[in-house]
Amino acid sequence: KNEVEQSPQNLTAQEGEFITINCSYSVGISALHWLQQHPGGGIVSLFMLSSGKKKHGRLIATINIQEKHSSLHITASHPRDSAVYICAAPRDSGGSNYKLTFGKGTLLTVNP
Amino acid sequence: DGGITQSPKYLFRKEGQNVTLSCEQNLNHDAMYWYRQDPGQGLRLIYYSQIVNDFQKGDIAEGYSVSREKKESFPLTVTSAQKNPTAFYLCASSTPGGNQPQHFGDGTRLSIL
Repeated sequence: KNEVEQSPQNLTAQEGEFITINCSYSVGISALHWLQQHPGGGIVSLFMLSSGKKKHGRLIATINIQEKHSSLHITASHPRDSAVYICAAPRDSGGSNYKLTFGKGTLLTVNP
Repeated sequence: DGGITQSPKYLFRKEGQNVTLSCEQNLNHDAMYWYRQDPGQGLRLIYYSQIVNDFQKGDIAEGYSVSREKKESFPLTVTSAQKNPTAFYLCASSTPGGNQPQHFGDGTRLSIL
C-alpha cells in the first residue's frame, strides 16, 4: 500500500510570499493528484501529473518520479489561497484511479 | 454546468436510526466514490462503484451500505451499526480506468443528536 506523507501540516504566510508544499510517497506510481479543499469543505482537483511540471495560473506542481516526491508551489500568494491542500496517489504501481491514498493535508493560511 | 451535488449539507442522526446521504452527478461518469473525512486524517474510502449495478467495499465499509441503480446516483446509507458516524462525507466521480481526476461534491456533515 502506498504511504503518502505531506509537509508541513500547517503553513502561515504573508500575502505575496512564495509557498511550497511537499508530498512524498512510497510506491512508484503513474500519476499523482493535488487537491484543494475550501474552508466550506468542497474539494477541487488542481493537478494530476505523471512527470515534470504543470502550471495553472499562480500554481505550479512538480514531480520527481525517481525520488517519489512532488511539490506544489504558489507564487504571489493571496488570502484567497487559504485552504487545505491534499496530495493523493494510487494505492499501487498499477496506477488505478479507483483506490487512492490521500495525505492528511496541509492547512495554508495567507494573511493580508 | 456539470458537477456533483450532495445533499443535505448538514444531517443529524438519532441513536438507532439509519440515514441516507444523497449524491447525484451529471458528468456522465461511470465511476463514483464515497469517502469519509475525520479531523487530522486523510480521506478514507467507504465504497466505490465502477459501473451501474455494481459496487465494491472500500477500506471502512462496515456500518455503511450503498446502491447504484442509476448512473447519475450513488446514495450512501449510514446504518445504526456504524457506531461512530460523526464525520464529513464526500462523494466523488470519475471516468473509469487509468489515471483520471476525481471530481468531488461539497460534502455532507453528519452529527449525532
